[in-house]
Amino acid sequence: GENVEQHPSTLSVQEGDSAVIKCTYSDSASNYFPWYKQELGKRPQLIIDIRSNVGEKKDQRIAVTLNKTAKHFSLHITETQPEDSAVYFCAASRAGANSKLTFGKGITLSVRP
Amino acid sequence: NAGVTQTPKFQVLKTGQSMTLQCAQDMNHEYMSWYRQDPGMGLRLIHYSVGAGITDQGEVPNGYNVSRSTTEDFPLRLLSAAPSQTSVYFCASSYWPGRHEQYFGPGTRLTVT
Repeated sequence: GENVEQHPSTLSVQEGDSAVIKCTYSDSASNYFPWYKQELGKRPQLIIDIRSNVGEKKDQRIAVTLNKTAKHFSLHITETQPEDSAVYFCAASRAGANSKLTFGKGITLSVRP
Repeated sequence: NAGVTQTPKFQVLKTGQSMTLQCAQDMNHEYMSWYRQDPGMGLRLIHYSVGAGITDQGEVPNGYNVSRSTTEDFPLRLLSAAPSQTSVYFCASSYWPGRHEQYFGPGTRLTVT
């Protein structure tokens, strides 16, 4: 089955700096890669996703890049703010109605004011 | 729309007791799933369903049962609770997990003593 790993497990940045969170996956047939954000005590919520026919996707201060050859994808957050502090999960899935989403273990991002 | 709802929010069980965690969604999603979240372990898939009458095992199914008699409801049953099942449980639903956002419920925090 799919195995998704995230690096590092914790990340601390100064407010206004950029943060980059990396994930690797093992199943070369995976082609859907979402990122979820979970604030303390809350449910995970989708913040951005990318499909394998796209190399990069941006949404305001966040972007995701995908390298299918190397089987890794990354979340980029620019101009970080204290409200970006949360746990971020990457995930991977194949296409298909019976596909399953496999999550990484999560990264705790702390933005220092 | 209420989205995905879960009951109860908190539960304390004694070892050996059984109980059912309830999950319901009003978005007409075919796909529903149960995850457990433990510190440092990310979100691990317990069971999932691709439609009424169809269920399948995820990564950590032992000790749990599910059924899907309607599109809206997907209860999770703990047969004989064990301390290792102390966790936060999230239910999620989506149209197609390999292409669409999964919507999570608010979670149930379960403690087994």
